[in-house]
Amino acid sequence: AQSVTQLDSHVSVSEGTPVLLRCNYSSSYSPSLFWYVQHPNKGLQLLLKYTSAATLVKGINGFEAEFKKSETSFHLTKPSAHMSDAAEYFCVVTRNTGGFKTIFGAGTRLFVKA
Amino acid sequence: EAQVTQNPRYLITVTGKKLTVTCSQNMNHEYMSWYRQDPGLGLRQIYYSMNVEVTDKGDVPEGYKVSRKEKRNFPLILESPSPNQTSLYFCASSRASGGLAYNEQFFGPGTRLTVL
Repeated sequence: AQSVTQLDSHVSVSEGTPVLLRCNYSSSYSPSLFWYVQHPNKGLQLLLKYTSAATLVKGINGFEAEFKKSETSFHLTKPSAHMSDAAEYFCVVTRNTGGFKTIFGAGTRLFVKA
Repeated sequence: EAQVTQNPRYLITVTGKKLTVTCSQNMNHEYMSWYRQDPGLGLRQIYYSMNVEVTDKGDVPEGYKVSRKEKRNFPLILESPSPNQTSLYFCASSRASGGLAYNEQFFGPGTRLTVL
């Protein structure tokens, strides 16, 4: 069975410092992994996705994530946080075995301090 | 503009009164899905549809129904709502070509439902 664990429910950083949001997955198959962002009172927007073409994936707004199969991780990083990054972030895995389901992690809320 | 629309955006109702939340997309996507979002649980998939007349259960289908009679529409039906269905609901769509598992899902703005 596939599952997604986001290791931190809340992360707080100062503006200009690095961001690390952690995600571990379990999958019986080669997974498709995504990070989505949800700003307050808004819908969800795709940040980036891993689809086996490259292990280091670059997304929008300076975010990137590295797929590490040996660690079953897909952590999201950004070198320098901006106030506008404050939002909730979801790690997502899709599975396509006799159907097509989408599994969301519980989410990590990122706070950015001035 | 490419988009997924949901109506209504806000709804307060009472236990047992049937309701429908509509979802429509204008991107000619094959795949559509409904999710509910609850604090601390992320989004959980209720139902999804691979194409017209093809629907399947997600992880939390109890108490919900869906239909897919047209490609652009995917309504969510609560025939007898209960307070535990109070939640924020999102509809999403995605194209199937190129490998469905790899494709971005486009989300609607959400419907906040309160069942008293």
